[in-house]
Amino acid sequence: QLQMQESGPGLIKPSETLSLTCSVSGGSISSNSYYWGWIRQPPGKGLEWIGSIYYSGSTYYNPSLKSRVTISADTSKNHFSLKLNSVTAADTAVYYCARYSTSGSYYDTWGQGTLVTVSS
Amino acid sequence: IVLTQSPGTLSLSPGERATLSCRASQSVRNNYLAWHQQKPGQAPRLVIYGASSRANGIPDRFSGSGSGTDFTLTISRLEPEDFAVYYCQQYDTFGQGTRLEIK
Repeated sequence: QLQMQESGPGLIKPSETLSLTCSVSGGSISSNSYYWGWIRQPPGKGLEWIGSIYYSGSTYYNPSLKSRVTISADTSKNHFSLKLNSVTAADTAVYYCARYSTSGSYYDTWGQGTLVTVSS
Repeated sequence: IVLTQSPGTLSLSPGERATLSCRASQSVRNNYLAWHQQKPGQAPRLVIYGASSRANGIPDRFSGSGSGTDFTLTISRLEPEDFAVYYCQQYDTFGQGTRLEIK
């Protein structure tokens, strides 16, 4: 069964770069049947897609965040990563990684999420 | 595309029937509309995909319907564990959520 686990600092300062990694077990990120995505949820609010990466290395970003986001993958470690630079308090959120099925265009597996707080 | 869910909050009692709505700003191709359930402090969990197919392990009291721009998630007889927030999703867009709370 596929499992996904986010990891990274829980507290970062304004203007710094947020860096998170999603480790995947029970399945390969090299599969051409899925995209691998990052989604965030500010406290008490809804879900916001950040971006996704395909096995080919192609990336897709939310236009509202595109200038600050980089998603990359390391197939040898079977994990993918998120970098969000120049963070502000508005970037405080629970960050989830999730698998997106291309056959039906839905997120079928989610990581447990990790809270990242931006504060000085 | 914009997904608009209604109502924002639904207050019902266990055993009652819940009907949640998701309206898309444009027609959803191939009925690629999913529903996710999120309980407090937990990650979302896929409930319905393809508008009407239940995900693995989802009880049959959950059903999805609809096509085009209007979709519905129905929970036939609410169990205590069903009270949560539900999000519809199409491609990389999520609705704002419907909170299903115990009356």
